[in-house]
Amino acid sequence: GDSVTQMEGPVTLSEEAFLTINCTYTATGYPSLFWYVQYPGEGLQLLLKATKADDKGSNKGFEATYRKETTSFHLEKGSVQVSDSAVYFCALSAGSSNTGKLIFGQGTTLQVKP
Amino acid sequence: DVKVTQSSRYLVKRTGEKVFLECVQDMDHENMFWYRQDPGLGLRLIYFSYDVKMKEKGDIPEGYSVSREKKERFSLILESASTNQTSMYLCASGILTLYNSPLHFGNGTRLTVT
Repeated sequence: GDSVTQMEGPVTLSEEAFLTINCTYTATGYPSLFWYVQYPGEGLQLLLKATKADDKGSNKGFEATYRKETTSFHLEKGSVQVSDSAVYFCALSAGSSNTGKLIFGQGTTLQVKP
Repeated sequence: DVKVTQSSRYLVKRTGEKVFLECVQDMDHENMFWYRQDPGLGLRLIYFSYDVKMKEKGDIPEGYSVSREKKERFSLILESASTNQTSMYLCASGILTLYNSPLHFGNGTRLTVT
């Protein structure tokens, strides 16, 4: 079945460091791909998405490119801030037979130190 | 803004109790979901619903049931709570058939079963 694998955390970075969180997926068809972020004490909120191969999603300085050849959707940010400390989830939504449900990775905790 | 409201942030229940988790959304979304979030496991789908009185099992439905009597409300029921159901429960809603449409999440209910 469809699945998402993220790099294990926690990831600890200093402010202004470069961030990469790896995400790979297995899916039949042509899924849409998402990154969600969960700040402490809150639910998940959409960070960015990409719906087809080679699409780049971007938001708040974060970017991710849908790479069909490597089945990957890695999250990157050039310069992280303390306020980016959160749990990041990669997710996919399957194609035509889907009813809107998402399949999530296990989440990666990011801690940014001043 | 879409608002998904979960009735309780924290619940403590005893083993064997019947537990109701309530979720309400205000955007007239057809789809509603219950996920369970555990460290290292990410989010796992318990049940979802794409219409009033309709429900579908997710990946881990055992020990749970759901109710959707009104479009805006989706309840998760633990018929006889057990300690292995201690977890964070997240409700989400979304638009039916738009597989690249994001889900909107509530802030979660942290349930402890003692």
